[in-house]
Amino acid sequence: AQSVAQPEDQVNVAEGNPLTVKCTYSVSGNPYLFWYVQYPNRGLQFLLKYITGDNLVKGSYGFEAEFNKSQTSFHLKKPSALVSDSALYFCAVRDEGDYKLSFGAGTTVTVRA
Amino acid sequence: SQTIHQWPATLVQPVGSPLSLECTVEGTSNPNLYWYRQAAGRGLQLLFYSVGIGQISSEVPQNLSASRPQDRQFILSSKKLLLSDSGFYLCAWKHSYEQYFGPGTRLTVT
Repeated sequence: AQSVAQPEDQVNVAEGNPLTVKCTYSVSGNPYLFWYVQYPNRGLQFLLKYITGDNLVKGSYGFEAEFNKSQTSFHLKKPSALVSDSALYFCAVRDEGDYKLSFGAGTTVTVRA
Repeated sequence: SQTIHQWPATLVQPVGSPLSLECTVEGTSNPNLYWYRQAAGRGLQLLFYSVGIGQISSEVPQNLSASRPQDRQFILSSKKLLLSDSGFYLCAWKHSYEQYFGPGTRLTVT
C-alpha cells in the first residue's frame, strides 16, 4: 500500500520569503515522488519528480524538493516566493512497480504582497 | 509535443440523466490513461485507469464506467447521475514516470 500525507492545509508566506510545503510518504518498495500545482478551475501541472539519484531535485518555476529517505519526506521548497505562486499544491507517490499515483490532500499556498 | 484534451469544460445535468465525458491525447501512442475526480477542490480520487485499448481497471465501485474505444481516447460514462457525482473530473496520461493532466470538466448534478 502507498500513501501520502501533507500535514498543512494552508501555508501563508510573504513575497520574497522562503516557501516550504511539507510531504511525507509511505510505500512498500522504492518510491517515485512528485509535486503538482493546481490553479483554480485548472488541471494539475507537473512541477518536479524524484526517481533516483541526487536527493535535491529542481523543477519548474524555481521550485525544488529534497528527498529524505530516513524521514520518508519530500518537502517542496522555493527560496523566494512570488504572489503568483499562490495555488494548491499536491504531493504524490507511487511504488516503483505500480501504475497508480496516490495523492496527498493538498496544501493551499497564499503568498501576500 | 503531446497534448491532452477534455470536453466539455463545464456541464450541468439533472439527477438521473446520462453522462459522457471525453478525453483524447495527441502526440503519443499507447499511453496509460487515467480518470480522477476531485471534490471540493481538494484531494484526487482515482476512478479508472487503462493500459491499452479495451482494458479498463476500476478503482472504486460506483455509478460510473469507463471505456477506451481507441488508443488515445478515454470516455467516462454514467447511465443515471447522482447528486454525489458532482465534482471536477480530470483525465491524465502517463509519460515516462509522471502523469500529465487535462484541463478538467466541472460537473454539477442538480
